Formats: sequence, C-alpha cells, structure tokens
Amino acid sequence: DGGITQSPKYLFRKEGQNVTLSCEQNLNHDAMYWYRQDPGQGLRLIYYSQIVNDFQKGDIAEGYSVSREKKESFPLTVTSAQKNPTAFYLCASSMWASGSTDTQYFGPGTRLTVL
Amino acid sequence: QKEVEQNSGPLSVPEGAIASLNCTYSDRGSQSFFWYRQYSGKSPELIMFIYSNGDKEDGRFTAQLNKASQYVSLLIRDSQPSDSATYLCAVRATGANSKLTFGKGITLSVRP
Repeated sequence: DGGITQSPKYLFRKEGQNVTLSCEQNLNHDAMYWYRQDPGQGLRLIYYSQIVNDFQKGDIAEGYSVSREKKESFPLTVTSAQKNPTAFYLCASSMWASGSTDTQYFGPGTRLTVL
Repeated sequence: QKEVEQNSGPLSVPEGAIASLNCTYSDRGSQSFFWYRQYSGKSPELIMFIYSNGDKEDGRFTAQLNKASQYVSLLIRDSQPSDSATYLCAVRATGANSKLTFGKGITLSVRP
C-alpha cells in the first residue's frame, strides 16, 4: 500500500515548546516537501529536499528545521522561534524528474494548534 | 515575486452545469501547471496537469492553457455535489527546481 503518511493527525503545543511532525513515504520518491496552509490561503513552502542529507529553505523557513537522514523520511520541527505556528501542515513528495513532468503528491496533513 | 492568482470566490453552480475555474500567473517562463482539489479539512489531491498550450481532457475535467495570455483554467462538466471543494492552481517555472507556487484557491459549491 504505497503512499505518504503523516503523524500525528492533530497536535497541540504549548507556548515555548518544540514539536516534531513526522512524514514518511514509500513511493521511492527522491524529493520531499513541507508546506504550511492557513485558512483561506494557498500553500506556502517551508523546506524541501531533493536527496538524502540535503535540504533547502523555502519561502517561510524561519522558526522551522528539518532533517533528511533517510530517503523515506522528512521530519519537520516547529521550534519556539516560530511565532504563529497554528496551521495545517502538509508534506508532499515527488520523483524529482527532469523537465516539466515532476508531480507532487500530498500526505493527509497534520493540524497543529498552539494552546 | 512569482504570483498565481485565482479569481475570487466562492463560485456556486447548479448540479449538471459547467463550472469554470480560472487562474493567471505572473512568470512568463512558467512551464507546468497543476490543478488540485481539496475537500474541507483534507489534503490536496491532484486532478490534472498540463504543459502544452490548448486543451487537455480527462473525464468530466478539461484543463485549458494559454501561455501567451498567462492563463490556465479548469472546466468541470456535468458538475456534481461531490465536486464541491476548494480548487488550487499551482505553477512551476523553468529552473525552479520543481518548486510549485500555489494560488489561494477558489471554493466551488454545486447546488443539488
């Protein structure tokens, strides 16, 4: 059963805490991405990774950190430096094919709420 | 700043009608265009992608691309209540390392 899994589905964080969101894929995709979605907004890119042990900042990386130690896994840590972390977090993956054919597929998402 | 604009919603159509969803983009070098559907509280799912000027049909869905006008649209024929969702347009420019820029989405409501 191939796909992208994210856990937990819901996460509650107290002020000042770091939390880590999990993303795993068994599609053998090279590239993985983290997006944030706020109500009524499109998706904004936080970080992405093309290969293991390498990742790049997206448009809104401040207050977040990632690692890519395995091809299948791309966890996102929301640090206490992120001032407004309440949002819907989406992980995606793609083959990273050359040219225009690369297509991103999304996991089910994690909804983070700061208490 | 590369921008993707979707016309303001929500859009409401009666069941059986054609729904037309529009998207414009600012980067003339954009090469790939994607439409995702997102049900409330769920993650986006890919509906269609288009790379070449013209129309691309898949069942009740037709994507239309006009690179000269920097315009991409999604037509949904014979709209069903199950089509009620938010539709996100996404664009990838040449050399953007496969990064996508998303529009804010437009919410479609199909009235029974």
